[in-house]
Amino acid sequence: DTEVTQTPKHLVMGMTNKKSLKCEQHMGHRAMYWYKQKAKKPPELMFVYSYEKLSINESVPSRFSPECPNSSLLNLHLHALQPEDSALYLCASSHYLGSGSNQPQHFGDGTRLSIL
Amino acid sequence: GIQVEQSPPDLILQEGANSTLRCNFSDSVNNLQWFHQNPWGQLINLFYIPSGTKQNGRLSATTVATERYSLLYISSSQTTDSGVYFCAVEETSGSRLTFGEGTQLTVNP
Repeated sequence: DTEVTQTPKHLVMGMTNKKSLKCEQHMGHRAMYWYKQKAKKPPELMFVYSYEKLSINESVPSRFSPECPNSSLLNLHLHALQPEDSALYLCASSHYLGSGSNQPQHFGDGTRLSIL
Repeated sequence: GIQVEQSPPDLILQEGANSTLRCNFSDSVNNLQWFHQNPWGQLINLFYIPSGTKQNGRLSATTVATERYSLLYISSSQTTDSGVYFCAVEETSGSRLTFGEGTQLTVNP
């Protein structure tokens, strides 16, 4: 789904670094999502934003800090990550009409993150 | 939460063969999507199919919501069909996609 753009595609960082993942969509979607995917496992939901407000946090550690500065952008700020945080991070977006809104999610190509 | 089971977990085919992948889910759903994840990690939307039947080229999908299952058909498989196929559902009371464990498909030339 190239309509959701994620940068960077690859990121290598040390455990003391601070970095950010970025996600952008221009489909007019008002719901945006972060997922984490480990090798040979399905994606797991981390955060959901609806209308730029955080609506779901799946008990994610505070070293991951999401931000939705406007309806088109979603960031994931990273600080003091652990080696087990190495994974593929996927962003998605969808129209949002309320809980159980019956709208498909569109995924970006992901950022492959490696923690040294 | 809702449970999603996919079968088979692994499938090896010769090029040109047909296959059927299955997704069972434990509760009513608003949304069901089939994805193909290629070896580079790209998660590609195949179908958005909470009910009914859809076709797109060599692929088709059917969801029988009342019986809580969906099927993905791949005909005349090609090596480029290799990868992991995920079924994901959103239950009627929620706003999150829950993924199955996937079917790893290998198509040999």
